[in-house]
Amino acid sequence: DVKVTQSSRYLVKRTGEKVFLECVQDMDHENMFWYRQDPGLGLRLIYFSYDVKMKEKGDIPEGYSVSREKKERFSLILESASTNQTSMYLCASSSTPDYRGNEQFFGPGTRLTVL
Amino acid sequence: GENVEQHPSTLSVQEGDSAVIKCTYSDSASNYFPWYKQELGKRPQLIIDIRSNVGEKKDQRIAVTLNKTAKHFSLHITETQPEDSAVYFCAASRGSNYKLTFGKGTLLTVNP
Repeated sequence: DVKVTQSSRYLVKRTGEKVFLECVQDMDHENMFWYRQDPGLGLRLIYFSYDVKMKEKGDIPEGYSVSREKKERFSLILESASTNQTSMYLCASSSTPDYRGNEQFFGPGTRLTVL
Repeated sequence: GENVEQHPSTLSVQEGDSAVIKCTYSDSASNYFPWYKQELGKRPQLIIDIRSNVGEKKDQRIAVTLNKTAKHFSLHITETQPEDSAVYFCAASRGSNYKLTFGKGTLLTVNP
């Protein structure tokens, strides 16, 4: 059973703080993703990684960075948090596409509030 | 890049009725189309997917159809039940780059 975990369910930070969101998966998946989910906007991709130390920008990377030092761990970093980064952040992982397709398995999400 | 449009944004049906959610995509190279269900307070989970070499796929009360020429695909839920109430997301992918582009979601409410 695939398990994707995120370091916090709820987080409250102040404007200008550096924020780390961590995601860990236990299925040896190659690919990992960070999304933010806002009402009416769906799931928007921030960054993804298809291998250790590799990263690619998604659709809304501005104000974020990522780190993937180990295969199972993918971190999202907000260098200087702003109020417009208040959102639900979802991590996901997937294996390299094969006959099963590239189903993504999601973590429980971190609701971040920036004051 | 890929753009996925999803309609309607909200859908309310009576228990036992059918529900249909439609999506269109822009990238003709997309070849993988999954549907995710997100119950209130829970994480999104895959419920069904279809590849571009198939026109229709069924799984019990759920079916997905794909029209590659028109670049649209649909989710059909028959005999809806209250536990079908959730937000449903469609997505599209080229497959080779692993990235999914999601629609904005449809809030389905099934009234008992």
